[in-house]
Amino acid sequence: GDSVTQTEGPVTVSESESLIINCTYSATSIAYPNLFWYVRYPGEGLQLLLKVITAGQKGSSRGFEATYNKETTSFHLQKASVQESDSAVYYCALGDTNAYKVIFGKGTHLHVLP
Amino acid sequence: EAAVTQSPRNKVAVTGGKVTLSCNQTNNHNNMYWYRQDTGHGLRLIHYSYGAGSTEKGDIPDGYKASRPSQENFSLILELATPSQTSVYFCASGDAAVSYEQYFGPGTRLTVL
Repeated sequence: GDSVTQTEGPVTVSESESLIINCTYSATSIAYPNLFWYVRYPGEGLQLLLKVITAGQKGSSRGFEATYNKETTSFHLQKASVQESDSAVYYCALGDTNAYKVIFGKGTHLHVLP
Repeated sequence: EAAVTQSPRNKVAVTGGKVTLSCNQTNNHNNMYWYRQDTGHGLRLIHYSYGAGSTEKGDIPDGYKASRPSQENFSLILELATPSQTSVYFCASGDAAVSYEQYFGPGTRLTVL
């Protein structure tokens, strides 16, 4: 079946350092899945961080960016300089066209040290 | 003006008891979903709905029922709660016509003793 694999956490970085959270997907039943990054801040529900629906395109939001790479089936999340307020759990996900479902990775807990 | 709300936010239940988790959305989305979040598992889909009156089984439906009496409301029912159902539950709504993007509630932390 379809699946998403992402960096196992927790990931700890210092403020102003760069960040990459890896995400690869397997979409055996979907030719061109939609790809998402969601974020869950402490005490809140998940919220969409960015999305890309076309292979080869890049999405960006709040200084984060991710590129939809169909050749390597990857959608890595990157940020050049993290802030303490970026501490949260990040989920990579893909949209399942056939069943109207979104398939989530296990989440990566990010700690940013001041 | 939160678009997806859940109640209660925290719940302690006893084994064998009945638990109902409620979700309300003001997004006017057709689709609604119930997930549980456990450490090491990410979000797992329990039940979902395409609209009022419809419920569909997700990936882990055993031990759960769902009810969608209206466009706005979607409930998750544990008829006989067990300690293995201790988890954080998230409700979400989505418009399937818009790239399957989902909007989540703040979550309900359920503890079954």
